[in-house]
Amino acid sequence: ELKVEQNPLFLSMQEGKNYTIYCNYSTTSDRLYWYRQDPGKSLESLFVLLSNGAVKQEGRLMASLDTKARLSTLHITAAVHDLSATYFCAGQGGSEKLVFGKGTKLTVNP
Amino acid sequence: EPEVTQTPSHQVTQMGQEVILRCVPISNHLYFYWYRQILGQKVEFLVSFYNNEISEKSEIFDDQFSVERPDGSNFTLKIRSTKLEDSAMYFCATVKGSSYNEQFFGPGTRLTVL
Repeated sequence: ELKVEQNPLFLSMQEGKNYTIYCNYSTTSDRLYWYRQDPGKSLESLFVLLSNGAVKQEGRLMASLDTKARLSTLHITAAVHDLSATYFCAGQGGSEKLVFGKGTKLTVNP
Repeated sequence: EPEVTQTPSHQVTQMGQEVILRCVPISNHLYFYWYRQILGQKVEFLVSFYNNEISEKSEIFDDQFSVERPDGSNFTLKIRSTKLEDSAMYFCATVKGSSYNEQFFGPGTRLTVL
């Protein structure tokens, strides 16, 4: 059964810095998703990665997928306070259900 | 832009009581899901529903839980006899077309069991 591991679980960074969140998964995942969640809010879809080598960028966030390594990354460039949130990756392996990682709580400090 | 809606936004209930959580999917979406998130934890799959049948359910989705689409628009999750550990945020998600397409999440219902 698909398992998804994220690290780090907590990330405190300064504005202007770069950092990467890692998402490893245990078995084949048909797709890999990244979601953002603000406190008390729902899940906002950020990226859907469909194939090996896929790279998608939106503003200061860039996501990539390496299916051979079973690894996805979410790279943050020049962080700003507005990016503070919890970020989840989720896989879909042989089943329609999404399997989520534990999430990375990102805090961007001035 | 069409959105998934859920009601109520917050439900407080006594242990042992029945609750019904409601979701209105995006029009023409055919696949429906319930997930839950205990405070501070990850999001967990409960059940998927297509063509008026459960297509998959998790170990969490025991006999106390049921789902239905009573009127062709609402999609409901019923918990028959709530327990303290059912306190969580419950999210509905819906999909258009293939079940492997992107899932769109509703705003959630916060369930508090006292």
